[in-house]
Amino acid sequence: ETGVTQTPRHLVMGMTNKKSLKCEQHLGHNAMYWYKQSAKKPLELMFVYSLEERVENNSVPSRFSPECPNSSHLFLHLHTLQPEDSALYLCASSQIQGVYGYTFGSGTRLTVV
Amino acid sequence: AQKVTQAQTEISVVEKEDVTLDCVYETRDTTYYLFWYKQPPSGELVFLIRRNSFDEQNEISGRYSWNFQKSTSSFNFTITASQVVDSAVYFCALSLLMDTGRRALTFGSGTRLQVQP
Repeated sequence: ETGVTQTPRHLVMGMTNKKSLKCEQHLGHNAMYWYKQSAKKPLELMFVYSLEERVENNSVPSRFSPECPNSSHLFLHLHTLQPEDSALYLCASSQIQGVYGYTFGSGTRLTVV
Repeated sequence: AQKVTQAQTEISVVEKEDVTLDCVYETRDTTYYLFWYKQPPSGELVFLIRRNSFDEQNEISGRYSWNFQKSTSSFNFTITASQVVDSAVYFCALSLLMDTGRRALTFGSGTRLQVQP
């Protein structure tokens, strides 16, 4: 596979559930990102990992917990979410600095009930 | 403030019309990078173009063209002879230098383009 792959594509979870979103890139990039896209807000940067080290947090609530075990994989662990967390979660990757832009996955459409 | 503004929330045109999507940015950086992305209904953001702050040449790629003007801090995108397949949300983005010394993309709110047959 090439590009950035996100799984699952769709996820419905209750507020007491624990779930994880997965992102995988095969582009040889060394930085990965989580963005949140909700209906009423522009794309919001959640987390940045560069060389597997988290460098940006952007004040995301602790119910979102990222994990980057290596430069090709990125996870977003979810627990005790709220209905307002329902959104499209996009993963992206780039070379460090992102000067040449990002490559995005197709996203996970999350619905919290 | 460093940000990207796309004032047009939604545009509807009829096929074969030309359409221009506006993008205005603010940054204190002297070196920066601007991008346009297309988001079709499938959700994935597709890269269209990158421009650095030192290159003000306009660019044309098929039916797409971009007009970068530093004097007005604008990076507008024109689609000539629009087609139904151009229907999507288009995002303008700016690569900003964060306090950590790293760059990250900040996006405008997007413009939804609907091309009617």
